[in-house]
Amino acid sequence: DAKTTQPPSMDCAEGRAANLPCNHSTISGNEYVYWYRQIHSQGPQYIIHGLKNNETNEMASLIITEDRKSSTLILPHATLRDTAVYYCIGAGGYQKVTFGTGTKLQVIP
Amino acid sequence: EAQVTQNPRYLITVTGKKLTVTCSQNMNHEYMSWYRQDPGLGLRQIYYSMNVEVTDKGDVPEGYKVSRKEKRNFPLILESPSPNQTSLYFCASSLSKGFEYTEAFFGQGTRLTVV
Repeated sequence: DAKTTQPPSMDCAEGRAANLPCNHSTISGNEYVYWYRQIHSQGPQYIIHGLKNNETNEMASLIITEDRKSSTLILPHATLRDTAVYYCIGAGGYQKVTFGTGTKLQVIP
Repeated sequence: EAQVTQNPRYLITVTGKKLTVTCSQNMNHEYMSWYRQDPGLGLRQIYYSMNVEVTDKGDVPEGYKVSRKEKRNFPLILESPSPNQTSLYFCASSLSKGFEYTEAFFGQGTRLTVV
């Protein structure tokens, strides 16, 4: 599994876009980039994943650089309910999946 | 409804008394795994299973056992619990399509205290 690096914390004003960066410079060609979030001590919730192309769903957008060494999760209009710990993971195939410590996003009113 | 069910949700036990935390999923997922979460350490994988009778160690397997005799169930066994296994535990499952995992579903968590 790829080692990922994320800032420990970030703030975002309510209604603005939240851009959460992730560095995964050791990711291999067949490993996907996954994003999850965890609110309080609930089970993590899947957000989005991608391999090479940018992806968008109803929750967020995922922008992966051309060299695949980093990515950015974008929450287009952050709300207070988006306050959570966000995890970026690089994984693929028959292997363990490492979550790390993530980025604590605080959305400010 | 698609779900991963863990039991119990809360458990207080004494050192050395064997216990099992059950995990069951109703989505016919091949991949299942167990994580523990401790303050400041994020989620660390204990064991994972790619399919029935196929299990492998994660990052912190010491003191734990697992089995995968049926596709839907993946119990976590603590043969001789110790206080350093006090933690919040999560079970998860996902579909595996070659190198791609689909969305992982997590259980509600089991808060274990070993005294």
